[in-house]
Amino acid sequence: ETTLTQSPAFMSATPGDKVNISCRASQDIDDDMNWYQQKPGEAPIFIIQEATTLVPGIPPRFSGSGYGTDFTLTINNIESEDAAYYFCLQHDNFPPTFGQGTKVEIK
Amino acid sequence: QVQLVQSGAEVKKPGSSVKVSCKASGGSFTSSVINWVRQAPGQGLEWMGRIIPTLGMADYAQKFQGRVTITADKSTRTAYMESSSLRSEDTAVYYCARSPWRGAGDYNYRYMDVWGKGTTVIVSS
Repeated sequence: ETTLTQSPAFMSATPGDKVNISCRASQDIDDDMNWYQQKPGEAPIFIIQEATTLVPGIPPRFSGSGYGTDFTLTINNIESEDAAYYFCLQHDNFPPTFGQGTKVEIK
Repeated sequence: QVQLVQSGAEVKKPGSSVKVSCKASGGSFTSSVINWVRQAPGQGLEWMGRIIPTLGMADYAQKFQGRVTITADKSTRTAYMESSSLRSEDTAVYYCARSPWRGAGDYNYRYMDVWGKGTTVIVSS
């Protein structure tokens, strides 16, 4: 089973900041990494597909990078509406596994 | 685009069973795989299993094999997750999530592009 180590667990940002969230896989997963945003009481929203592809309809301030074992979700010029829980998912190896999540607070 | 609507919250006694539903609207149910994922309080997300509705084929994470059954009814575009012998550790929010399915012979695991809002299951005496 592939373990995803996501960091940080919590971060506080000011509007306009650039934010990076990391997800490290315990083994090579090619580009089979995905990122999601979730707000309380709502369904998770798919934001980055296969490491680097922005899902249609997602603002371009979101971007993804990485390959193999190290991946990053970047939010440029963060906005107040980006306050949420973010998590990563790998689907390269059985079973699909998730990172522990990052709670992003906007000051 | 498929939308997923889940059944309402449940409170169950230890040792009992629960069956959660996930109804798809819009999009193509037959081009979908439905996954079940849960999140216990203070814990991360955990993949439980999935079903390919067109084939009626399900597979499970080892942890849930034998205690969880995932089924689907193509006529009503609804997937179900039934968990038996419930214990307090099964208290969680249960999500269904869709993955694309590319047709016969496709057994690959893929991203989950649409999620339900979740169903809270509380197991308590």
